[in-house]
Amino acid sequence: KAGVTQTPRYLIKTRGQQVTLSCSPISGHRSVSWYQQTPGQGLQFLFEYFSETQRNKGNFPGRFSGRQFSNSRSEMNVSTLELGDSALYLCASSLYSGISYNEQFFGPGTRLTVL
Amino acid sequence: AQTVTQSQPEMSVQEAETVTLSCTYDTSESDYYLFWYKQPPSRQMILVIRQEAYKQQNATENRFSVNFQKAAKSFSLKISDSQLGDAAMYFCASHMRFGAGTRLTVKP
Repeated sequence: KAGVTQTPRYLIKTRGQQVTLSCSPISGHRSVSWYQQTPGQGLQFLFEYFSETQRNKGNFPGRFSGRQFSNSRSEMNVSTLELGDSALYLCASSLYSGISYNEQFFGPGTRLTVL
Repeated sequence: AQTVTQSQPEMSVQEAETVTLSCTYDTSESDYYLFWYKQPPSRQMILVIRQEAYKQQNATENRFSVNFQKAAKSFSLKISDSQLGDAAMYFCASHMRFGAGTRLTVKP
């Protein structure tokens, strides 16, 4: 069974631009979660989607948004990029909703650099 | 707010020896799960072990085991017979919160 895939793997943008990251979960998984990983802040939860609905949300500004499609694929969008948005963005999928108690399967991440 | 604290930024262990990584957490929930994830260099994060808070018995997965102290809100990971492939960042997680991580080095 194929793992979680994320595209693109690397991205370079400039301040003020917007970016869209994509995540394809493991087949059959309906929950997709997004995390931001930085050396300073560590791993921070962005949001979780299950059956096209946002189920949980972390403490990030409204510039960070996401959506999930009927095939469970998910996209994350960041508008008006700031230098501090440079990070590794991880996507994780799980069978069920409720990432507090379900094992998550992580993708390789998208490395975003904002110049 | 629920927090997860890993007080050891780095740890080192000799191959074949045992090492324990510490984690404390804060929660007001009565039923919850705790996780240890491993992130090898340039590789994907994977689950190492999971503990259900309502279970008294500590979880074990081959060479990996936990010492779960619910009253103390402590959840440490013990790695026995350490192998070179165990070298990685280890993250403790609870309620969508991750600790800062512990970088484990395994010396041959």
